[in-house]
Amino acid sequence: AQKITQTQPGMFVQEKEAVTLDCTYDTSDQSYGLFWYKQPSSGEMIFLIYQGSYDEQNATEGRYSLNFQKARKSANLVISASQLGDSAMYFCAMREGPGNYGGSQGNLIFGKGTKLSVKP
Amino acid sequence: GAVVSQHPSRVICKSGTSVKIECRSLDFQATTMFWYRQFPKQSLMLMATSNEGSKATYEQGVEKDKFLINHASLTLSTLTVTSAHPEDSSFYICSARYYRDNNYGYTFGSGTRLTVV
Repeated sequence: AQKITQTQPGMFVQEKEAVTLDCTYDTSDQSYGLFWYKQPSSGEMIFLIYQGSYDEQNATEGRYSLNFQKARKSANLVISASQLGDSAMYFCAMREGPGNYGGSQGNLIFGKGTKLSVKP
Repeated sequence: GAVVSQHPSRVICKSGTSVKIECRSLDFQATTMFWYRQFPKQSLMLMATSNEGSKATYEQGVEKDKFLINHASLTLSTLTVTSAHPEDSSFYICSARYYRDNNYGYTFGSGTRLTVV
């Protein structure tokens, strides 16, 4: 079973509008972390936002916010006021277990990604 | 902060030759480095985890004799693709875990696009 599921292979959004990218996860751990990364065509992985499983409030970072619904095991990324530069691949990732270890090696587990295209 | 420098960014090599990719942590000590491979329009797949001073742990299906990983210091991890073949052409990216502000984060190198001809 997939640990991280991103059901939207591609999304279009009009410039200046908000967009939600979906992410659901599967883990039996009580302590875990959820991350969103942006990957432009250049290939670099840009950290956007983090949500810990024990965090009571939804994380926010500028135009990015994470809609964390623990019971549903979802961690959707909301981008407000989309800009042309937001066009990229977006990956949801999970670290299982506490921060000092995770999964079998402490690595992040990635979803398949969503390609976001912002239209002018 | 928490910067990982990865070189080279692009490399073209002939079949049968070896290629070394370096990842250096510039402003922190990376005790653990993760190596990922990414095919076009696909996600990142973990290849192996390297820990400073010990042997790397490889994921199932990854040939350890083909993808040699060395993590000799707290700031340098290398991936060597030995006897490269066209099917090894891919995007390789490293990632290190760091601890800051009472939390763990993951930083990535800028990736290496390998083309084997």
